[in-house]
Amino acid sequence: DAGVTQSPTHLIKTRGQQVTLRCSPKSGHDTVSWYQQALGQGPQFIFQYYEEEERQRGNFPDRFSGHQFPNYSSELNVNALLLGDSALYLCASSSGTEWETQYFGPGTRLLVL
Amino acid sequence: EDQVTQSPEALRLQEGESSSLNCSYTVSGLRGLFWYRQDPGKGPEFLFTLYSAGEEKEKERLKATLTKKESFLHITAPKPEDSATYLCALLDTGNQFYFGTGTSLTVIP
Repeated sequence: DAGVTQSPTHLIKTRGQQVTLRCSPKSGHDTVSWYQQALGQGPQFIFQYYEEEERQRGNFPDRFSGHQFPNYSSELNVNALLLGDSALYLCASSSGTEWETQYFGPGTRLLVL
Repeated sequence: EDQVTQSPEALRLQEGESSSLNCSYTVSGLRGLFWYRQDPGKGPEFLFTLYSAGEEKEKERLKATLTKKESFLHITAPKPEDSATYLCALLDTGNQFYFGTGTSLTVIP
């Protein structure tokens, strides 16, 4: 049973560029959440998608947007990248009936130069 | 604002030396409190969910407990493979998740 997968594993961008990160949830899961984890910090909640709709959103600017597809996979888009966007971006999936119990992917390490 | 504070930031134990990690929190309404383990360069691994004060959960050498203001992760007779960062997170009644900054545990053989 494949767990949560994310791509790419690493990415280097320059300030002002745009980036798209991808996530495939664990089999049987229909809810996807995205987190930003800066070095030495805990993950910060960006948003959660369920049934292709954004269900909850944390305290992140509109430069951060997302999408969920009918197969439950998800994308995180970040526009106008800033140096401070450098972080590990984590995707977590869960089942609609127990959506608060989340299983994390390995993350995408984004470096903005 | 809801907040999670973990202590200590780092902990070094000898193999077999039991100890506890602390997670204190302030929240308007608690839906659940979660413990995760995170190895370097990897995503967090789910350990436990606690929903109400007095609840306890156990898994191998780990035991998590919850009070109205704190949660503890007790590690009994730890082994070197228990070395990792342990993260605490809460889910409030507004369905927002808040993570602490973690406790980095090193178990020395």
